[in-house]
Amino acid sequence: QVQLVQSGAEVKKSGASVKVSCKASGYSFTSYWMHWVRQAPGQGLEWIGVINPSGSATLYAQKLQGRVTLTRDTSTSTDYMELSSLRSDDTAVYYCARDNSAADKAWWFDPWGQGTLVTVSS
Amino acid sequence: SSELTQDPTVSVALGQAVRITCQGDSLRSNYASWYQQKPGQAPLLVIYDRGNRPSGIPDRFSGSNSGDTASLTITGAQAEDEADYYCNSRDSSGHRWVFGGGTKLTVL
Repeated sequence: QVQLVQSGAEVKKSGASVKVSCKASGYSFTSYWMHWVRQAPGQGLEWIGVINPSGSATLYAQKLQGRVTLTRDTSTSTDYMELSSLRSDDTAVYYCARDNSAADKAWWFDPWGQGTLVTVSS
Repeated sequence: SSELTQDPTVSVALGQAVRITCQGDSLRSNYASWYQQKPGQAPLLVIYDRGNRPSGIPDRFSGSNSGDTASLTITGAQAEDEADYYCNSRDSSGHRWVFGGGTKLTVL
């Protein structure tokens, strides 16, 4: 079955970087874009960015541009989200979610990874 | 505009129908998708494209789009439907995606 499995929880100091992985299985990895989404404690969902199937193109949320980098390793079907210069308000659960689309008018995220908690402490 | 607006809280009596709405300029040209999230769980897709349901989602969930508004309707709400619901769409620029602020559904 289609599955996304993310790496484990991380605790980082302010100013450090974190790299979260998302390993895909059960489908053709190089046929789909992958989104990343985060959720701060008690808050809503926030879109972070998306990477294309070959890993050659990315789009990022304006708020995180310059601090976030999405990459992928097609040989291991694994996507990565790296966030640098961490601040306390980056504390959140980070999700990967596969992109699906239809007719250039509809996009949806399915399935989702289980989430990775990143805690930033000072 | 890149924003999607949802009512923060909605309540419904057990077995009754409830509609959750999502409003934004990007919905004039893009269909919304809807996600259900229960505490401690990852979001789950419940409606996509022109109101389609993924396999395993009960047919009491339906979706519609009109103008700048997308709606998620639950016909005959059950206790297990109590959750947060989020809409999502590609924004008008085509270079970003955006989530609504979420609606907390309480089943009374």
